[in-house]
Amino acid sequence: NAGVTQTPKFQVLKTGQSMTLQCAQDMNHEYMSWYRQDPGMGLRLIHYSVGAGITDQGEVPNGYNVSRSTTEDFPLRLLSAAPSQTSVYFCASSQGNEKLFFGSGTQLSVL
Amino acid sequence: SQQGEEDPQALSIQEGENATMNCSYKTSINNLQWYRQNSGRGLVHLILIRSNEREKHSGRLRVTLDTSKKSSSLLITASRAADTASYFCATPWSQGNLIFGKGTKLSVKP
Repeated sequence: NAGVTQTPKFQVLKTGQSMTLQCAQDMNHEYMSWYRQDPGMGLRLIHYSVGAGITDQGEVPNGYNVSRSTTEDFPLRLLSAAPSQTSVYFCASSQGNEKLFFGSGTQLSVL
Repeated sequence: SQQGEEDPQALSIQEGENATMNCSYKTSINNLQWYRQNSGRGLVHLILIRSNEREKHSGRLRVTLDTSKKSSSLLITASRAADTASYFCATPWSQGNLIFGKGTKLSVKP
């Protein structure tokens, strides 16, 4: 059972570079979301999706784009990376808001 | 704009002791959840308590909810070194999403 799979696990970018963090789930969950975790800040919601073709902004959406073309995949795009986006990123999926399943995270450093 | 705030921020105990963590939240909720995060890993769901429940048990975990005080507590009994982790409370925010507190870092010493 794969659950929620995130790739890559680690990434180093230079300021201004772009990249996509991948997230896939095999549980047929409708809801998917991206969080970032910074020291002392807990988890903050970036973007979320309630189904294929439907996305919306969370608490800290600036600098990030998402799309949801299939139920399984929910990639997070950084169009022009900034040092402030250095963080650990978690993808999660669920059938509702009663139990979220998390991926193992992507540790991103922007130099 | 964190909904939940855990207290204490850090807790260090000996194996076999009980660990209690508290969570306060701001707005009305229909459920409150607790998650565990081992170092460098993703969060894992531990337990959910609904707004019409006052107490819930799962193995060595006991969760209470006081909606009048907007607070919850997580008790881990007879703690083990393997319980060393960060613990987060979370409440529903929007469709399929939760708002998390900043967490309590628990260290259980052998």
